[in-house]
Amino acid sequence: NAGVMQNPRHLVRRRGQEARLRCSPVKGHSHVYWYRQLPEEGLKFMVYLQKENIIDESGMPKERFSAEFPKEGPSILRIQQVVRGDSAAYFCASSHPGQDSGNTIYFGEGSWLTVV
Amino acid sequence: AQSVTQLGSHVSVSEGALVLLRCNYSSSVPPYLFWYVQYPNQGLQLLLKYTSAATLVKGINGFEAEFKKSETSFHLTKPSAHMSDAAEYFCAVTGYSSASKIIFGSGTRLSIRP
Repeated sequence: NAGVMQNPRHLVRRRGQEARLRCSPVKGHSHVYWYRQLPEEGLKFMVYLQKENIIDESGMPKERFSAEFPKEGPSILRIQQVVRGDSAAYFCASSHPGQDSGNTIYFGEGSWLTVV
Repeated sequence: AQSVTQLGSHVSVSEGALVLLRCNYSSSVPPYLFWYVQYPNQGLQLLLKYTSAATLVKGINGFEAEFKKSETSFHLTKPSAHMSDAAEYFCAVTGYSSASKIIFGSGTRLSIRP
């Protein structure tokens, strides 16, 4: 059974470019989370998605950031016009509420974005 | 609203000594609680979870945690530290609803002295 798969693992972008991070959840999982981890800091919630629906986006910056989880295909976190402050590790996690008690989420290995 | 507070951003113990990592939660509804471990440049791995079935929860790698409602705590312990336990540990909380997001504490870095 494949776990949560994230790609790319490492991404370098110049200021002003776009970054697209992909996340394939655990097979059968219908919910996806995105978290951001800045150097020497904890995990900050960004967005919680169900297929074709955003459940909670209270942690998403108001501009330049967007996320989707289409009916088919991976979840995408998109960052437009990246700035140096966007450099961080972005973690995706998935769950299937009801399948496993406790809303347990399972994490991918992360995508490390470096903006130069 | 839910939150967790991890007391101590860095804990250092000697190999073979007791490990105690503190976590206090705040929740307006009965919580689910978790401990995750993160090794350098890796994702988070679930250590254990509390889902109201039992207040003392045993996890992987010899770790356990006890849910104490009166103290709103969910401290993580291990009787004897091993060098391989050096990592970052995160406490997390969520509610019963499938719409509840999971909120993480700021993390505690555990160092093991030889």
